[in-house]
Amino acid sequence: QVHLQESGPGLVQPSETLSLTCTVSGDSITSYYWSWIRQTPGKGLEWIGYIYYTGSTNYNPSLKSRVTMSMDTSKSQFSLILRSVTATDTALYYCARRDSHFDYWGQGFLVTVSS
Amino acid sequence: QSALTQPASVSGSPGQSITISCTGTSSDVGGYNYVSWYQQYPGKAPKLMIYEVTNRPSGVSTRFSGSKSGNTASLTISGLQAADEADYYCSSYTSSSTYVIFGGGTKLTVL
Repeated sequence: QVHLQESGPGLVQPSETLSLTCTVSGDSITSYYWSWIRQTPGKGLEWIGYIYYTGSTNYNPSLKSRVTMSMDTSKSQFSLILRSVTATDTALYYCARRDSHFDYWGQGFLVTVSS
Repeated sequence: QSALTQPASVSGSPGQSITISCTGTSSDVGGYNYVSWYQQYPGKAPKLMIYEVTNRPSGVSTRFSGSKSGNTASLTISGLQAADEADYYCSSYTSSSTYVIFGGGTKLTVL
């Protein structure tokens, strides 16, 4: 059974950098695209971007200037970095398998941007 | 890129059928067969119910079906059950640089 688990700091200071990691088990991380999606009460679900094990990435243009995704295949992990965060980046962050539809999701990780 | 348009809420009685619409444009829903639907319970992650317009992942009840006509996709739930009460979201591939967009979500109430 495929399992994804997000981890990272739950509180980030404004203007600082948000960093999350997704650990994948039960599947080969080199077999699929892997995505980050976030959810807020105000904006709903928002696709952040995806990464493939080759290093290929694709980011939402609205976040592209602040986002970097990376992958460590030896640890079966992929990561999200979001720079210069503001309160509007407060959200529930999900990692998920695939790119155009998402068949497995992590449980979600709440990140709050606040001083 | 604007979100896909879904009704804020729909309701139905047990045993009935309901349909949730998801309206986009020719650049997303109407142009590609990459529409998917997700069910989300409070405090839980979304669950994939339909992908590529009509396909059900293994384990999803046959009571759930998807379709598309023009720029509007639809999720139909037949034989409504209390357990179906949840939020439902559609999403679509888009030819814009946004790549994937979501609907605003529909709250299904089983009366």
